[in-house]
Amino acid sequence: QQQVKQSPQSLIVQKGGISIINCAYENTAFDYFPWYQQFPGKGPALLIAIRPDVSEKKEGRFTISFNKSAKQFSLHIMDSQPGDSATYFCAASPNNNDMRFGAGTRLTVKP
Amino acid sequence: DGGITQSPKYLFRKEGQNVTLSCEQNLNHDAMYWYRQDPGQGLRLIYYSQIVNDFQKGDIAEGYSVSREKKESFPLTVTSAQKNPTAFYLCASIAKQTNTEAFFGQGTRLTVV
Repeated sequence: QQQVKQSPQSLIVQKGGISIINCAYENTAFDYFPWYQQFPGKGPALLIAIRPDVSEKKEGRFTISFNKSAKQFSLHIMDSQPGDSATYFCAASPNNNDMRFGAGTRLTVKP
Repeated sequence: DGGITQSPKYLFRKEGQNVTLSCEQNLNHDAMYWYRQDPGQGLRLIYYSQIVNDFQKGDIAEGYSVSREKKESFPLTVTSAQKNPTAFYLCASIAKQTNTEAFFGQGTRLTVV
């Protein structure tokens, strides 16, 4: 049973559009919510992360929105570019212990 | 150059053989993790270790074993008891003191032939 549920499984967006990926969790002990980006044949790399004391965090074109009461968080990629095409994973952990990942979203940005 | 190194990049195993995947980090991180990645299933936690000589099972530990004799090293053995070992294996480490990001290796692709 997956502790972090991620949707959609795949996403196709036109260049310049907004990509939105959603995640939900059940374990209220989770207090660290990162997003990772993975290119084919490579290990994931941290993109952006949030802790539950804030509802939103923005870094460049990437924004995390966090809803503690709903136990949901999402990644928004503004002005999506073909170079953003990758697999994105949300994750959650209690104080950085035993981090659990969502199933991943394969994003394709069409030129 | 600090980082986390997995080897080999590709590994082929015959049915019934045990194989060991290497993971070494020079980041002075306390915690190390092994994940298995299958298409459509994301990363599933196999084992993790937060301190030398101690480790815990993750969600899919059956058929795997680990050791943590040194802070820098966390090898994973895929035993013959693992019925479906073909997958992409990822090792990660985290600096517990700062609670910052998990750094991943480049992965090992294991194929049973």
